[in-house]
Amino acid sequence: EAGVTQFPSHSVIEKGQTVTLRCDPISGHDNLYWYRRVMGKEIKFLLHFVKESKQDESGMPNNRFLAERTGGTYSTLKVQPAELEDSGVYFCASSLGVTNTGELFFGEGSRLTVL
Amino acid sequence: GESVGLHLPTLSVQEGDNSIINCAYSNSASDYFIWYKQESGKGPQFIIDIRSNMDKRQGQRVTVLLNKTVKHLSLQIAATQPGDSAVYFCADISGGSYIPTFGRGTSLIVHP
Repeated sequence: EAGVTQFPSHSVIEKGQTVTLRCDPISGHDNLYWYRRVMGKEIKFLLHFVKESKQDESGMPNNRFLAERTGGTYSTLKVQPAELEDSGVYFCASSLGVTNTGELFFGEGSRLTVL
Repeated sequence: GESVGLHLPTLSVQEGDNSIINCAYSNSASDYFIWYKQESGKGPQFIIDIRSNMDKRQGQRVTVLLNKTVKHLSLQIAATQPGDSAVYFCADISGGSYIPTFGRGTSLIVHP
């Protein structure tokens, strides 16, 4: 069974440009999460989808970030325009159901470097 | 501030020794705790969890201890192996939520 896949694995862009990260969750997983880790810091929650609906987007830093999950399958996270502080590793995770257990299945992450 | 945090950013041990990774949390409403392991180039992977009505849980070579009095969580790895080298994150979930809140991570380095 395929795990959570993320693309691209690494993206280098200049300040002011746009980047779109993609996440394909495990097939059948209704829950999809985006997290971000800035170097040396905690893995910080960004938002949570249940199917195509945004359940919780309290962690989104500002309106330069836009997440979508059309059709309730894969998700995209767009950063426009990118700033230096957006650099970090963006993790996507999925889970089958919301059961108050913390077993999320993570992808390998998309490393974003903004120059 | 952070809900969870780790005491040390890096822990170095010799192969075969036992490792103890510590974590402090501040939210007294946290009722579920998880440890994740992140190997280089990979995403975090679930290791073990514990609910707040327990103080100890054992897995294969790993034990998680929970002390609610001082809001402290630890992960013990027995007979540490080179393959255990990774960054370890503790995370908590507070009542009514289902979103794990992660700490900063401790890098475990195992020397042969």
